[in-house]
Amino acid sequence: QKEVEQNSGPLSVPEGAIASLNCTYSDRGSQSFFWYRQYSGKSPELIMFIYSNGDKEDGRFTAQLNKASQYVSLLIRDSQPSDSATYLCAVNGWGKLVFGAGTILRVKS
Amino acid sequence: DGGITQSPKYLFRKEGQNVTLSCEQNLNHDAMYWYRQDPGQGLRLIYYSQIVNDFQKGDIAEGYSVSREKKESFPLTVTSAQKNPTAFYLCASSIGSNTEAFFGQGTRLTVV
Repeated sequence: QKEVEQNSGPLSVPEGAIASLNCTYSDRGSQSFFWYRQYSGKSPELIMFIYSNGDKEDGRFTAQLNKASQYVSLLIRDSQPSDSATYLCAVNGWGKLVFGAGTILRVKS
Repeated sequence: DGGITQSPKYLFRKEGQNVTLSCEQNLNHDAMYWYRQDPGQGLRLIYYSQIVNDFQKGDIAEGYSVSREKKESFPLTVTSAQKNPTAFYLCASSIGSNTEAFFGQGTRLTVV
């Protein structure tokens, strides 16, 4: 079982829609959770981080964490073509930061 | 400007040669990480360090070595024992061991 799992996609949504990206993790001791966006050929950039159960909102982005279900999600509201990228979920437990394989998001105008 | 600098951006080496990738940060971060990314794949953890003079193996450490003699520097050596070294290598750092990490621009290594 992989430590961090994501659906590889691609996830296609129309412009203006809500994109929902999901991630599960295996280590119950994980303490911090992150979403990164990576454009082709570039390094990942941090979008959101969340440490506690519940929702955290930042602009068009909402991160959701459910530690009991070992599940993290990212919602992108009012999706734009510029949001088209690979979204990487990362989980940190005891100083070891592990990434999922990423979900490709395509926003169609 | 504060940030994480990886050099060089592109690197070509002949098979069988060791090569060292540089990663320097001036953010006063304690933790540093090295990842490898192959085309269409996610990031795989090679080594990580939470503090100076200490580091741990990640999931794919075989064929790689690191040092952490200074807080701001975490060089990665790709040895000849690494069977498929051609990849995109990413260095990251974070303030603490469980906080958000920020990435350098990456080094594309091609071994021919």
